[in-house]
Amino acid sequence: ETGVTQTPRHLVMGMTNKKSLKCEQHLGHNAMYWYKQSAKKPLELMFVYSLEERVENNSVPSRFSPECPNSSHLFLHLHTLQPEDSALYLCASSQGETGHHNEQFFGPGTRLTVL
Amino acid sequence: SQKIEQNSEALNIQEGKTATLTCNYTNYSPAYLQWYRQDPGRGPVFLLLIRENEKEKRKERLKVTFDTTLKQSLFHITASQPADSATYLCALIMDSNYQLIWGAGTKLIIKP
Repeated sequence: ETGVTQTPRHLVMGMTNKKSLKCEQHLGHNAMYWYKQSAKKPLELMFVYSLEERVENNSVPSRFSPECPNSSHLFLHLHTLQPEDSALYLCASSQGETGHHNEQFFGPGTRLTVL
Repeated sequence: SQKIEQNSEALNIQEGKTATLTCNYTNYSPAYLQWYRQDPGRGPVFLLLIRENEKEKRKERLKVTFDTTLKQSLFHITASQPADSATYLCALIMDSNYQLIWGAGTKLIIKP
């Protein structure tokens, strides 16, 4: 499999559930990102990992917990979410210095619905 | 803080015509500006990057301009085709932290 993959593609969960989103990149990149995309709003950067170290956490609520066990895998652990957390969650990767101007490669996203 | 404005209304263009999308930003000029395409149910796909000191960049039927005086980038698709229908996102990269700041995107519809 090539590119950036994400599982599951769709997820419905209650506010008391615990679930995890998974992202895997097959591009040999050294940086990975989690974004939240809500309808008609810009992409919101949530977390950035460079060489498996978290380098950015943009004031994301603690009910979102990232994990990067190696440079190819990224997880987003979800716990006691709110309905307003319903959105498309996108994973991306890039090569080179964190962010910089290098293009980002995105996965297809996980469509999350919180009931 | 830096903000980006893209037309929130969908842009309807007749097939064969040139489609022009606008990306306006406030405050400081970014070091780089990128354009991405996003299809429904998919993640964005990188199209073009233009640097602060470049006025124009081309790739096949695509052209991007960057005017730091107007604080604006224009994205053109010439000889547009229905397959070009998608949402187009612009993203700025500031020198300070190299993170992308995204616009909300403009939906482009090419009618046959």
